[in-house]
Amino acid sequence: GAVVSQHPSWVICKSGTSVKIECRSLDFQATTMFWYRQFPKQSLMLMATSNEGSKATYEQGVEKDKFLINHASLTLSTLTVTSAHPEDSSFYICSALGPGGLASSYNEQFFGPGTRLTVL
Amino acid sequence: GNSVTQMEGPVTLSEEAFLTINCTYTATGYPSLFWYVQYPGEGLQLLLKATKADDKGSNKGFEATYRKETTSFHLEKGSVQVSDSAVYFCALYDAGYSTLTFGKGTMLLVSP
Repeated sequence: GAVVSQHPSWVICKSGTSVKIECRSLDFQATTMFWYRQFPKQSLMLMATSNEGSKATYEQGVEKDKFLINHASLTLSTLTVTSAHPEDSSFYICSALGPGGLASSYNEQFFGPGTRLTVL
Repeated sequence: GNSVTQMEGPVTLSEEAFLTINCTYTATGYPSLFWYVQYPGEGLQLLLKATKADDKGSNKGFEATYRKETTSFHLEKGSVQVSDSAVYFCALYDAGYSTLTFGKGTMLLVSP
């Protein structure tokens, strides 16, 4: 099946620094990737939709300048948390839309294993 | 808009007990329905899916039937194992949107 990887799996950083998280589709091309944030004991909150070669679409309430998303190729999307603060500590999960594409009636998302960010 | 409602957990069971986790949904179209499982410290894995009414998804002993009349997709397993302890998310995909809508998740704890 389709595999999505994330790197790093966990990161600890100091307040004020920036952190980049990579999301890769390993065996398929993904024109669309999604970034989620998960708080403890909560569901996934969609942060943004990333389309290859264009600007990401952010959900309401998500700061574009703080969470920079780049989808420069069909297999890689990156999320950069800029000037991170302790409240940004969370579990960040990416997913990639399956090979069916948006025109299909059924599009399976394949999830990465997540990145645990801890900001001190 | 679309929404998914799951029973709140945690659900605590003994090994070999019967499991039901309720899930109901609201959707404007004809969604596909999913159950995802999240083991501790890991990302989500697709457990099973159903793409149209009356379809039954099954995997690893888990089953769920797409009930359009009751807008439900309850997850069941006849005999749970300790290794089934995880958080289970019910989700729907509506072609009118580009991503999944998730429920809040239900934690399952299975003791020996």
